[in-house]
Amino acid sequence: EAAVTQSPRSKVAVTGGKVTLSCHQTNNHDYMYWYRQDTGHGLRLIHYSYVADSTEKGDIPDGYKASRPSQENFSLILELASLSQTAVYFCASSDEGTSAETLYFGSGTRLTVL
Amino acid sequence: QQKVQQSPESLTVSEGAMASLNCTFSDGTSNNFRWYRQHSAKGLEVLVSIFSDGEKEEGRFTAHLNRANLHVSLHIREPQPSDSAVYLCAGLNYGSSGNKLIFGIGTLLSVKP
Repeated sequence: EAAVTQSPRSKVAVTGGKVTLSCHQTNNHDYMYWYRQDTGHGLRLIHYSYVADSTEKGDIPDGYKASRPSQENFSLILELASLSQTAVYFCASSDEGTSAETLYFGSGTRLTVL
Repeated sequence: QQKVQQSPESLTVSEGAMASLNCTFSDGTSNNFRWYRQHSAKGLEVLVSIFSDGEKEEGRFTAHLNRANLHVSLHIREPQPSDSAVYLCAGLNYGSSGNKLIFGIGTLLSVKP
């Protein structure tokens, strides 16, 4: 069974503080993704990566940085957290190469910025 | 950017009655479609993936794709209270710098005993 582990499960941060969300996968997948989920917006892609040491901007990258130091690990960094970044964040991994590829999601990190 | 519209926003059905969910895409960019289920803001569970016109069945879940109409549906046979969750459809867009999933905002399904 594919496994994607996110940490922390939840976090409370102060406005202007730095927040790092971590993701680890044991699937040997090339692709990793960070999404945020807000009521009324569904899941929106922030950053993604298809190889270690390289990241790509998704649809809503502003205010976020990403880091992929190894195939297994993918971090999302909020340098200056803002109230609008309160959301649930999901990490996912996928196996490139087949037309029937599947994303495997972590359980999410609930971030509250005060 | 491609938009994904899901309907209805919420649906209540009785246990054992068929549940039908719909998804319409704004353009034909996606090549591959899938339905996910999410229980109470937890991780997403993929239910069925489909990339050819027609039907694809996975247990009690059947997806139907009509590319010409930019429409994907999900039918849940004999739904149970444990199927109560948010159902998300998504289209996979292949690009030169990687693949991306575009999600709808979801349909909240409630199954009454």
